[in-house]
Amino acid sequence: DSGVTQTPKHLITATGQRVTLRCSPRSGDLSVYWYQQSLDQGLQFLIQYYNGEERAKGNILERFSAQQFPDLHSELNLSSLELGDSALYFCASSVGGSFGDTQYFGPGTRLTVL
Amino acid sequence: SQQGEEDPQALSIQEGENATMNCSYKTSINNLQWYRQNSGRGLVHLILIRSNEREKHSGRLRVTLDTSKKSSSLLITASRAADTASYFCATDPTGGFKTIFGAGTRLFVKA
Repeated sequence: DSGVTQTPKHLITATGQRVTLRCSPRSGDLSVYWYQQSLDQGLQFLIQYYNGEERAKGNILERFSAQQFPDLHSELNLSSLELGDSALYFCASSVGGSFGDTQYFGPGTRLTVL
Repeated sequence: SQQGEEDPQALSIQEGENATMNCSYKTSINNLQWYRQNSGRGLVHLILIRSNEREKHSGRLRVTLDTSKKSSSLLITASRAADTASYFCATDPTGGFKTIFGAGTRLFVKA
């Protein structure tokens, strides 16, 4: 158990819908990272927050947004969903904001868009 | 394309054998990390090697880093069925702003 929690575990929804994925980092970790993992794209970095502020952006679509709250939990919002958004979405956390820090991954949310 | 590229894409061995996976990358790095992922689960950090280190050990794991060739290898000795997983290398590029994961090597260890 990494100490990172993600909810929900599974999500099935229809195209055009909007969903929110939630992540709670390990106690004491200030950084939260979001990743998308699909069969054809591998593990893609989406976005990082550090202590409530956006730190780095990766391959995140404009239809997706995220935020980190004062209690350091984070939410990833996916809107106007398409079939191709079906994937595993992972959250990871680390103590600091450096990308060299070890990241601790949550169990993931499996999103299926029908 | 990915900064880190693992090779081979898949590897199948018998229990007790050694497994070697390689990772190549494109730019200078601060460090390189190896992660393991069991099917459908989150990644688990295995080991970190810094750019000024050439070799590092952790239990049955041995990692080497050759910055002149921009490559790293992960050796798992005396493999076990429980080692069956995907293994990813992740680089922290100098001057970069994000850790970049490779596509992974899928390791199958047959009992």
